[in-house]
Amino acid sequence: AAGVIQSPRHLIKEKRETATLKCYPIPRHDTVYWYQQGPGQDPQFLISFYEKMQSDKGSIPDRFSAQQFSDYHSELNMSSLELGDSALYFCASSFSGRGEETQYFGPGTRLLVL
Amino acid sequence: AQKVTQAQTEISVVEKEDVTLDCVYETRDTTYYLFWYKQPPSGELVFLIRRNSFDEQNEISGRYSWNFQKSTSSFNFTITASQVVDSAVYFCALRGENNQGGKLIFGQGTELSVKP
Repeated sequence: AAGVIQSPRHLIKEKRETATLKCYPIPRHDTVYWYQQGPGQDPQFLISFYEKMQSDKGSIPDRFSAQQFSDYHSELNMSSLELGDSALYFCASSFSGRGEETQYFGPGTRLLVL
Repeated sequence: AQKVTQAQTEISVVEKEDVTLDCVYETRDTTYYLFWYKQPPSGELVFLIRRNSFDEQNEISGRYSWNFQKSTSSFNFTITASQVVDSAVYFCALRGENNQGGKLIFGQGTELSVKP
């Protein structure tokens, strides 16, 4: 079965640079979620989109922005990167953001900021 | 506020032992959903199970079983006859019906180490 695709899988950036993470949800899934997982921590919710509209926002820095496109893929844009942004970034997708559905996670993008 | 607590930070067992991972949650929502995810050393998050708050029936899937008790706000996960491949970090997660946008609240995770 098709899974969530994230690219790139690994990314190394310098401080103050920008990064773009991409997420391709499972086919027919219309909801996308972004999470950030620091070393040794649990995943923290950043933002979600349902039918291309932002549906919830968590502890996402103002330096980050995201959107969902007409084909349902999503991109997380990160600017003015800081050392503390080094983390594993997960995208998850589900069908119909009504609450009961299961979120399936992609393999993650491991971002290292030097 | 919603919260998930996994009091066991690390558990170490020898292969073939049974092990139970505890999960306690807090929510004021009358309808909510509980999940378990597995994160092996490779890093991905693998969905294991979802349980709805109105369904307290326990579930068994092979060597895995889950015990959901609303009276104690617990959703514990048992692995029977553990194997080395079960070594991973296991996360319990909660989603309330009023979580607009559907965010999951994760526990801190329990790192399970199964030794041969």
